Amino acid sequence: DQQVKQNSPSLSVQEGRISILNCDYTNSMFDYFLWYKKYPAEGPTFLISISSIKDKNEDGRFTVFLNKSAKHLSLHIVPSQPGDSAVYFCAASGLSGNTPLVFGKGTRLSVIA
Amino acid sequence: DSGVTQTPKHLITATGQRVTLRCSPRSGDLSVYWYQQSLDQGLQFLIQYYNGEERAKGNILERFSAQQFPDLHSELNLSSLELGDSALYFCASTGGPGLNYGYTFGSGTRLTVV
Repeated sequence: DQQVKQNSPSLSVQEGRISILNCDYTNSMFDYFLWYKKYPAEGPTFLISISSIKDKNEDGRFTVFLNKSAKHLSLHIVPSQPGDSAVYFCAASGLSGNTPLVFGKGTRLSVIA
Repeated sequence: DSGVTQTPKHLITATGQRVTLRCSPRSGDLSVYWYQQSLDQGLQFLIQYYNGEERAKGNILERFSAQQFPDLHSELNLSSLELGDSALYFCASTGGPGLNYGYTFGSGTRLTVV
């Protein structure tokens, strides 16, 4: 039973355009959400997070949106750059971040120059 | 370099064998988490240790065990290995018992069981 779902295994976007990566969750106890980025042969690295008390968090080119009623979050990357090509994992935690992170299967983003 | 060190980077072993994966957390971090990433799967939580004590357990098989030592490094022991145990095993650390500012991951150990 997958509690965090990333339904798009892959996404291709042209350089300079917007990349939108989606994530759905089923567990109502989740209240903290994160996005991680992973390059080949490396571990995941933290990208951006959002608490359930917010509906948007922005950090430079990266913005995460949270729709609690729909149990849906999305990561927007604007503008997309070739260096953004990686696998992006959505992750969730409960009890204000005190339960171990539950990860989705990831979405492979390819940014084409 | 994330500061979390995992050894070895690669491991090839036969079915039925036992292996030990090692993780040294980032300096000052007290929590260590172990995750397994099988082909086309997300990261599956196995187990968490905080300051030497087991704090949370996920879908860890009985053939697997872990511990955290007084110097805070952790070892994940996998025994009676099966082909399906082939995966990337990641270790992550945080400063406290919870998320703090997010997990810092090591680069993983790729285990291949033949």
